[in-house]
Amino acid sequence: AQSVSQHNHHVILSEAASLELGCNYSYGGTVNLFWYVQYPGQHLQLLLKYFSGDPLVKGIKGFEAEFIKSKFSFNLRKPSVQWSDTAEYFCAVNAYSRGTGNQFYFGTGTSLTVIP
Amino acid sequence: NAGVTQTPKFRVLKTGQSMTLLCAQDMNHEYMYWYRQDPGMGLRLIHYSVGEGTTAKGEVPDGYNVSRLKKQNFLLGLESAAPSQTSVYFCASSRGGGAHRETQYFGPGTRLLVL
Repeated sequence: AQSVSQHNHHVILSEAASLELGCNYSYGGTVNLFWYVQYPGQHLQLLLKYFSGDPLVKGIKGFEAEFIKSKFSFNLRKPSVQWSDTAEYFCAVNAYSRGTGNQFYFGTGTSLTVIP
Repeated sequence: NAGVTQTPKFRVLKTGQSMTLLCAQDMNHEYMYWYRQDPGMGLRLIHYSVGEGTTAKGEVPDGYNVSRLKKQNFLLGLESAAPSQTSVYFCASSRGGGAHRETQYFGPGTRLLVL
């Protein structure tokens, strides 16, 4: 079965620290990759996505992610976090196979707490 | 625009009861999705639709049925609720257009407790 792994369940950082959240997936075919964020009390919303082209993608609020095909990874980064980045972060993969058709798989999420 | 709305926000059911969750979007999106979120498991896709009158199974479709009679609405039905269906249910929609690369816009969620 396909899976998406987020290795960090809970991350606590001070403001201005750098952030890297890991995401690995287990599907070997063509994938579309996403990072979604859920701020406290708000709906899930898209941070960034990748489906082709430059493997380094930039999203909103200074976030970026790098697709490394050989490592099946799509790690999220931000050079300097702010208190307002406190949220739950989800990695998601869209994959197609003849057996299961089009599917979306989400990771279990990483809770980020930024201390002022 | 209201975006994606879900009705109800919270519901308590007894085992064996049935109910329908309603998802509505006002963005003229083609694709719609139903997910469930359980502690420690992230979001799991239940069913999705790529257009009015079409539905497809997601990763965890058993025990649920869906209908997309109108483009703006996507209904999720539980015919005979079970305690294992206690969860938070999220609906999402996207522009579609032939691939699942478009941004999904999520609703606020429905908390369902099955006793």
